[in-house]
Amino acid sequence: DAKTTQPTSMDCAEGRAANLPCNHSTISGNEYVYWYRQIHSQGPQYIIHGLKNNETNEMASLIITEDRKSSTLILPHATLRDTAVYYCIVRAYNFNKFYFGSGTKLNVKP
Amino acid sequence: NAGVTQTPKFRILKIGQSMTLQCTQDMNHNYMYWYRQDPGMGLKLIYYSVGAGITDKGEVPNGYNVSRSTTEDFPLRLELAAPSQTSVYFCASSTSGRRDDEQFFGPGTRLTVL
Repeated sequence: DAKTTQPTSMDCAEGRAANLPCNHSTISGNEYVYWYRQIHSQGPQYIIHGLKNNETNEMASLIITEDRKSSTLILPHATLRDTAVYYCIVRAYNFNKFYFGSGTKLNVKP
Repeated sequence: NAGVTQTPKFRILKIGQSMTLQCTQDMNHNYMYWYRQDPGMGLKLIYYSVGAGITDKGEVPNGYNVSRSTTEDFPLRLELAAPSQTSVYFCASSTSGRRDDEQFFGPGTRLTVL
C-alpha cells in the first residue's frame, strides 16, 4: 500500500497561493490521490482528488507529476479560514486501508 | 440534508464502562466507516460497512464492535473502556467503496476515558 510524505507545517501569507507538496513514490497505477483538510478538530473535509491528470474545482487545483510519484495541492488565494491540517491520501486498492497520515499544518497569516 | 450526524459530541467514561457512539447519515450511502484520531495524529480506520448487515475490520478494531441493521445507522460500541481509547471518533459515509469516491465525515465525538 502506498504511503505519503508531507511537510509537518507551512506558512502562507493571506491572499497568496498556498502550494502544499506530497510525495507518494510507491503509488500504484490504479490508485487515486486525494486531498482532505481538517479545521480545528472538525470532521475532515474533502477538497479534491485525481488519478493522472491535473484537476481543478472551486476550492483548489491538484497537480500530479507525470510519473505520479508526487503531487501539489494549490489554494490559489489563501484566506485565514484556510488555516487547517491538510492530508494527502493515496486510495489503496483495498479501500479499507485508507491511510490519512499526519498531514501538513497550513498557517495562513495576515 | 443533514449529512452525517454523530452523538454525543463529548463523553467522559470511567475505565471498564461501556458506551455506544451513534452515527446516522441521510444520504442513502451504502458505505459507512468509523475512524479514531489521537492527538496530533492522522485518522485510523476502526471498522467499516458496505451495506446493511455487512461489517468488516479496519486497521485498529480491537476493543470495539459495530452493527449495521439499517442503511442509515452505524453505531460503534465500546464494551470495556480503557484509557488507550481516549480519542476523537469520526464517522464517515460514501456512496461506494470505489477508489474515486469521496467520503463525507461527521463532526466527531470526543471521548475521554479516566
